[in-house]
Amino acid sequence: EDKVVQSPLSLVVHEGDTVTLNCSYEVTNFRSLLWYKQEKKAPTFLFMLTSSGIEKKSGRLSSILDKKELFSILNITATQTGDSAVYLCAVSAGGTSYGKLTFGQGTILTVHP
Amino acid sequence: EAQVTQNPRYLITVTGKKLTVTCSQNMNHEYMSWYRQDPGLGLRQIYYSMNVEVTDKGDVPEGYKVSRKEKRNFPLILESPSPNQTSLYFCASRGQVLLEQYFGPGTRLTVT
Repeated sequence: EDKVVQSPLSLVVHEGDTVTLNCSYEVTNFRSLLWYKQEKKAPTFLFMLTSSGIEKKSGRLSSILDKKELFSILNITATQTGDSAVYLCAVSAGGTSYGKLTFGQGTILTVHP
Repeated sequence: EAQVTQNPRYLITVTGKKLTVTCSQNMNHEYMSWYRQDPGLGLRQIYYSMNVEVTDKGDVPEGYKVSRKEKRNFPLILESPSPNQTSLYFCASRGQVLLEQYFGPGTRLTVT
């Protein structure tokens, strides 16, 4: 059974701090790993990672994948209160399971002013 | 505007009364999927469809049915809803090349 585990489950920081969110996975026929941000509505896409060691960056957010150790991290630098959200990691499977997407339970990030 | 729409957005119903949640996308996406989201469990995939007339089970398909007769629509059917299907449901779609998935606004279902 495919499994995605995120840690920590929740995190409280102050504005300006840097945070690292973790995602480890066990899936058959790995295809890609995706990060989403969910505020009080539907998830919105952040990054998709398919290759090890290549950092994806968007403003203060960055992410990297390690396919050997089966994990990814999402970094947020100089956090702002608007970064408060649930961050979801998901893994897409290929092969005959192509289309199957398994999510982790999410990390709740709270940024205090 | 590119979007995924779901209806209804909120629904309270009773055990055993068949219901359908509609999902429609205007991006000509091949792939569509249904998820449920429960506290502490994250998003769990119910069913997905790779194209018209092609559907497959996700992780939690029991108690649900889907159909994909047209590319733009992917309704979720609960033939006999039970209280353990009370949840927040999301529909999503994406293309074959760009794997970014677009989510609908969600349907909050309560089964009493």
